[in-house]
Amino acid sequence: GQSLEQPSEVTAVEGAIVQINCTYQTSGFYGLSWYQQHDGGAPTFLSYNALDGLEETGRFSSFLSRSDSYGYLLLQELQMKDSASYFCAVRDAADSWGKLQFGAGTQVVVTP
Amino acid sequence: GAVVSQHPSRVICKSGTSVKIECRSLDFQATTMFWYRQFPKQSLMLMATSNEGSKATYEQGVEKDKFLINHASLTLSTLTVTSAHPEDSSFYICSSRGPADTQYFGPGTRLTVL
Repeated sequence: GQSLEQPSEVTAVEGAIVQINCTYQTSGFYGLSWYQQHDGGAPTFLSYNALDGLEETGRFSSFLSRSDSYGYLLLQELQMKDSASYFCAVRDAADSWGKLQFGAGTQVVVTP
Repeated sequence: GAVVSQHPSRVICKSGTSVKIECRSLDFQATTMFWYRQFPKQSLMLMATSNEGSKATYEQGVEKDKFLINHASLTLSTLTVTSAHPEDSSFYICSSRGPADTQYFGPGTRLTVL
């Protein structure tokens, strides 16, 4: 089976940096994805790491360490619009259709 | 990323009726689509994998006779909630499979069963 753990909530002020950690247990590993979901909206793809290291996309970066079964999403220069839930996800290794399993989600609250 | 639409965005129905939700990929052919449900403040729970031209694969615990999925074309998958009850009230989201492990999500359908 597979499981993912991430913190339930993080609060930070505008302009700050937030790191959302995700640890996973999986029988086979393809890569770690991150999705953002605003209240009432659909999840949107943020990043994907298949190899160790840091991937940077604007204010958001994602890191992966396969040996530690660990990754994180880094949100820099926080803005009010970054208040949302963030999910890490891994692909189901036993599934050929690309099924993803999602973590429980981390709610990021940005305050003025 | 790809564009996926869902219709309707909101639906309110009476207990015992059936509701059909459409999921369309607007700018590419989606061989595989996924259906999720999500309760407030919770994660996405995969209900089924929908493959064009074949039967859907349901997750454990999801009643296939209650949640009918049809994927008749490369751009359209439908989920029908049959004989809906208040406990079926939820946010239903579809997605299409993209490159690597990405998924492109529709805007979701909020179902309320009275």
